[in-house]
Amino acid sequence: ETGVTQTPRHLVMGMTNKKSLKCEQHLGHNAMYWYKQSAKKPLELMFVYSLEERVENNSVPSRFSPECPNSSHLFLHLHTLQPEDSALYLCASSQDWRGLPSGANVLTFGAGSRLTVL
Amino acid sequence: AQTVTQSQPEMSVQEAETVTLSCTYDTSESDYYLFWYKQPPSRQMILVIRQEAYKQQNATENRFSVNFQKAAKSFSLKISDSQLGDAAMYFCAYRSSATGTASKLTFGTGTRLQVTL
Repeated sequence: ETGVTQTPRHLVMGMTNKKSLKCEQHLGHNAMYWYKQSAKKPLELMFVYSLEERVENNSVPSRFSPECPNSSHLFLHLHTLQPEDSALYLCASSQDWRGLPSGANVLTFGAGSRLTVL
Repeated sequence: AQTVTQSQPEMSVQEAETVTLSCTYDTSESDYYLFWYKQPPSRQMILVIRQEAYKQQNATENRFSVNFQKAAKSFSLKISDSQLGDAAMYFCAYRSSATGTASKLTFGTGTRLQVTL
């Protein structure tokens, strides 16, 4: 399997549940990202990992907890979420998070996990 | 801070016709990258085309081309010979070329393109 794979595709959870989103990339990239996509709003960068180390955390509430056990896998652990957290969560990867001198560091995205919080 | 504006929430084009999607951005930097991403109903964002700001020549990828006006901070996407498979959300995005900013892609709110027969 190639590219960036996200599971589950759809998730419905109550505010007291604990669940996790999974992302896997087969591109040999060193950086992985979580984005939140809400209707009529620009994509919001949540977290960036480079070689399993978190390098960006954009003021995301602690009810979202990322985990990167290796450079191919990225998780987003969810607990005590709010209805306003309902959104499409996109995972992406790129060769390098810092930007290459001659490259645009293009992101490759997964198909997202559609989260509904009741 | 950089901002990206897509002023057309929705556009419609007939099959085989040409359509142009608008994007403007605000930045104080002189070197940066601009992107157009497509998000079809399958939800997977796909890179359509990219432009380096230092290049004066407009980027082209098959039926997709851009009109990059650096002074006006405008970056429109032209789709020629539109096909049903072009129906999707299109996002314009900006990234600084400065080292350490690779993660900071700034997206617009998107334009939904409908292709009709």
